[in-house]
Amino acid sequence: DAGVIQSPRHEVTEMGQEVTLRCKPISGHDYLFWYRQTMMRGLELLIYFNNNVPIDDSGMPEDRFSAKMPNASFSTLKIQPSEPRDSAVYFCASTKRELVSYNEQFFGPGTRLTVL
Amino acid sequence: QKEVEQDPGPLSVPEGAIVSLNCTYSNSAFQYFMWYRQYSRKGPELLMYTYSSGNKEDGRFTAQVDKSSKYISLFIRDSQPSDSATYLCAMRGYGQNFVFGPGTRLSVLP
Repeated sequence: DAGVIQSPRHEVTEMGQEVTLRCKPISGHDYLFWYRQTMMRGLELLIYFNNNVPIDDSGMPEDRFSAKMPNASFSTLKIQPSEPRDSAVYFCASTKRELVSYNEQFFGPGTRLTVL
Repeated sequence: QKEVEQDPGPLSVPEGAIVSLNCTYSNSAFQYFMWYRQYSRKGPELLMYTYSSGNKEDGRFTAQVDKSSKYISLFIRDSQPSDSATYLCAMRGYGQNFVFGPGTRLSVLP
């Protein structure tokens, strides 16, 4: 069974460019999470969805960030315009109730974003 | 003050040692407590989960929660080089807003 799939795995872009990160959760999972990990700030929750509906986006740093989940098998995180301080590893994770009451999240391999 | 504090390490121990990893938190609304393990350049994976105060054991791993002190611990017995990773504590209330600690990097030397 495939795990959480993220693309691209690495992205290098220039300041001001639009960046789109993609995620395919595990089939049957009803929660999807986007995280950002940096050395300085650790692993931060940006936004999460339940049944494709955004539930809490209070972790989204600013209006330059947006996320969508058009269907149960696909989500995007977009940064427009990108800035050097957005450089981080972005993880997508998914879970369902049967996974110890939602406490086990399955993480994707991450997208390493570098903004020059 | 951050919601969840964790000694960042790095922590280096010899193979076979007992390892103690700790987190403190400030939000009394947290009800679920987890330990995730993250290998280099990988996503975190769940190691242990607890709900109530007390101890929970799983093989070489023991998770301890003290809600009155807002303190959680993970003990690793007979540590192995394969345990070398970053250990993240995580917690949440009744919602799905997971809050992760900054992580402790552990190296177990053969």
